[in-house]
Amino acid sequence: GQQLNQSPQSMFIQEGEDVSMNCTSSSIFNTWLWYKQDPGEGPVLLIALYKAGELTSNGRLTAQFGITRKDSFLNISASIPSDVGIYFCAGQVSGGSNYKLTFGKGTLLTVNP
Amino acid sequence: DAGVTQSPTHLIKTRGQHVTLRCSPISGHKSVSWYQQVLGQGPQFIFQYYEKEERGRGNFPDRFSARQFPNYSSELNVNALLLGDSALYLCASSRLQGVGYNEQFFGPGTRLTVL
Repeated sequence: GQQLNQSPQSMFIQEGEDVSMNCTSSSIFNTWLWYKQDPGEGPVLLIALYKAGELTSNGRLTAQFGITRKDSFLNISASIPSDVGIYFCAGQVSGGSNYKLTFGKGTLLTVNP
Repeated sequence: DAGVTQSPTHLIKTRGQHVTLRCSPISGHKSVSWYQQVLGQGPQFIFQYYEKEERGRGNFPDRFSARQFPNYSSELNVNALLLGDSALYLCASSRLQGVGYNEQFFGPGTRLTVL
């Protein structure tokens, strides 16, 4: 099935560093969402973006909805050990009757204390 | 408030068997979606139900079916299991009422292993 292009595939950083990851698509989405998944758990919603160009923050997390509506990025500032996990971007085409999410392959983040 | 709940947590089946997975959405949410997540990949959309009607279907064979009940809970059924059906099956619920209410919240998943 279709998956978005998410990069990097993995990151290994030191505690306190900033992190940036992005997601691109060949098609337009009306909504971009970022999720974090811990081992053995379901994805947890971090940030939802609804308008092209929108910049939204949630604590140390900041995400932007690309102007072309085909991309999004997520920044994490001053990383801490509990930021470890897999981060997924997801695009959604709202409208009509189908609101399925299309996911990226994920970015595995490791934070070294 | 309780989040999305799924049962069972883990399940082991053999090839050719069938399986039923269950999901209860967040209170007030009328839409349930099912996703399959194979190890190392992002979730793949299987079905979406809203008000007991199928609203979307992903690229999965007819062995996969689902339904939604009047209380908005849902079941995912998979027949004639194959080894490749081994995955984490995720259920997500949403209000599905206008812009800003389409955020999907996921349950912990059911880990299915087919031997």
